Amino acid sequence: GAVVSQHPSRVICKSGTSVKIECRSLDFQATTMFWYRQFPKQSLMLMATSNEGSKATYEQGVEKDKFLINHASLTLSTLTVTSAHPEDSSFYICSARSLAGSTEAFFGQGTRLTVV
Amino acid sequence: DAKTTQPTSMDCAEGRAANLPCNHSTISGNEYVYWYRQIHSQGPQYIIHGLKNNETNEMASLIITEDRKSSTLILPHATLRDTAVYYCIYTTSGTYKYIFGTGTRLKVLA
Repeated sequence: GAVVSQHPSRVICKSGTSVKIECRSLDFQATTMFWYRQFPKQSLMLMATSNEGSKATYEQGVEKDKFLINHASLTLSTLTVTSAHPEDSSFYICSARSLAGSTEAFFGQGTRLTVV
Repeated sequence: DAKTTQPTSMDCAEGRAANLPCNHSTISGNEYVYWYRQIHSQGPQYIIHGLKNNETNEMASLIITEDRKSSTLILPHATLRDTAVYYCIYTTSGTYKYIFGTGTRLKVLA
């Protein structure tokens, strides 16, 4: 299957700082990428849909000024957690759907964010 | 809100077939059913998807009922590495948004 890579896989940051997470589709072009958050022992929760060249669409209850999403190219989307707090500690996962018309999406390996 | 219903957990003996059911009674005619699995602390892994017909690939088989209101994922010979949370999802062709339910925690026993 297609490969989606996230970086970093693990990050620890101080409270009040910002953290950027990258999501890349390595062997295909992705018009649409999705960002999820997952707390321990819970399911994935969709945060936002990221479309190349346009503003992201956020799910209800997700603060767009706190979780900045940029999708500048067909292979890269970034999620920036601004002014991070301990409650933002979570597992963040991206997924991407191929431009080629296949309907399934492929997921990155996830980024474990710990805010101390 | 999640639109699929799955058992919370299942056990399966190693080497036996694992049959994981999913109810998606509100699915529409043009919506695909997708199955993914998530092994601890990793991103979900794509397994298989289908629309109407049964599907098979190197990982699993997908059986979709004629009314499309439910489906079953079959892992023909489960191994210990198949221990994971399995998610059944469907989405419209327009949005491709996946809304995850709670999934089924499959434990393969030696």
